[in-house]
Amino acid sequence: DTGVSQNPRHKITKRGQNVTFRCDPISEHNRLYWYRQTLGQGPEFLTYFQNEAQLEKSRLLSDRFSAERPKGSFSTLEIQRTEQGDSAMYLCASSLGGNQPQHFGDGTRLSIL
Amino acid sequence: AQKITQTQPGMFVQEKEAVTLDCTYDTSDQSYGLFWYKQPSSGEMIFLIYQGSYDEQNATEGRYSLNFQKARKSANLVISASQLGDSAMYFCAMRETTSGTYKYIFGTGTRLKVLA
Repeated sequence: DTGVSQNPRHKITKRGQNVTFRCDPISEHNRLYWYRQTLGQGPEFLTYFQNEAQLEKSRLLSDRFSAERPKGSFSTLEIQRTEQGDSAMYLCASSLGGNQPQHFGDGTRLSIL
Repeated sequence: AQKITQTQPGMFVQEKEAVTLDCTYDTSDQSYGLFWYKQPSSGEMIFLIYQGSYDEQNATEGRYSLNFQKARKSANLVISASQLGDSAMYFCAMRETTSGTYKYIFGTGTRLKVLA
């Protein structure tokens, strides 16, 4: 069990640029989740996958956000035309589902200049 | 709408004492799961304990126990014999199962400071 891996750990970019983050879940986990966390808040659900299928996407998520999980393994989260309000920690988690807990990665911290 | 409420933004506890972190939830689901996570200043989210809505006994994991009161919709975390390393943010979370999806909702967290 090597844990959930996210990269990059930090991303600094100018407003208007596109960014992509990667998450490698624990290998046998079929569920993968993306969250956004801002300072002093709990993680906010963005989207989740069961295997390669994206089963739910938050209504708070604008069309600038897209996520994929090709072949049901790693996942990418892309933000297009970044805005100041996108600055946050983006967390990925995976689980076996059911009563099993989510295991989180260390997150990618996005800073928009 | 499903919701998690943590009313204590910050708590202090003396080392070796016990502390209770409050969590109330709102759901119309009959089947749901409740989780507690710890987030140290380093940022990683660490799973602590789980309680299922149909579990009759309160969950325990080492120094952590969950005081589950279903009728009151509360799932308080009790940490016994606090240690300095327990200083962190603590989040209560609920897994929704509405419509067969497995979405998690987190509270705003409680920052715990253990005093030497």
